[in-house]
Amino acid sequence: AQSVSQHNHHVILSEAASLELGCNYSYGGTVNLFWYVQYPGQHLQLLLKYFSGDPLVKGIKGFEAEFIKSKFSFNLRKPSVQWSDTAEYFCAVNRAGTGGFKTIFGAGTRLFVKA
Amino acid sequence: SQTIHQWPATLVQPVGSPLSLECTVEGTSNPNLYWYRQAAGRGLQLLFYSVGIGQISSEVPQNLSASRPQDRQFILSSKKLLLSDSGFYLCAWSVSRGNTDTQYFGPGTRLTVL
Repeated sequence: AQSVSQHNHHVILSEAASLELGCNYSYGGTVNLFWYVQYPGQHLQLLLKYFSGDPLVKGIKGFEAEFIKSKFSFNLRKPSVQWSDTAEYFCAVNRAGTGGFKTIFGAGTRLFVKA
Repeated sequence: SQTIHQWPATLVQPVGSPLSLECTVEGTSNPNLYWYRQAAGRGLQLLFYSVGIGQISSEVPQNLSASRPQDRQFILSSKKLLLSDSGFYLCAWSVSRGNTDTQYFGPGTRLTVL
């Protein structure tokens, strides 16, 4: 069955530290890849997405992600985190299939940034 | 621009009572609609999805059902709630374009069954 794995469930960083959150998926073929973020008390928001083209994708708030097809990975990065980046981050994957798209989500990574 | 609404925002219901959660989307037509349940540390579990009016696909057998009476309205229901139905329910919409599809989420409903 298709699955999405996020390597870290909890990450604690100090402000200005660099961030990398791992994401691996088990889909074969052409996929669409996403990172969503959920800030405390807020709804799930799209951070960035990859459909095709340049495997390095830039999103909002200085985040970027790199699609490495050979590794089935789509890791999220930010060179210098801020306290306001404290949130839960979800990796997600979908692809076209009969009856539409089914998006599979990872279990999420809770990031806490210390001021 | 498109917006998605869910209500109620929070709900406390006794075991055995019925449930109706509503989701509506504005600013788009013929969207794909989804119901998810979010559990702490377990990500999002897809419950139902719909590609059109009256077309519902269920992903997991459970105590819940879904209906789509109008193009931009998606309802999650139960005839008799169980304790295990407690959770955070998210509605999402998307419009597929070729091989791409991006989902956008509503604010969610926090359901507590006592």
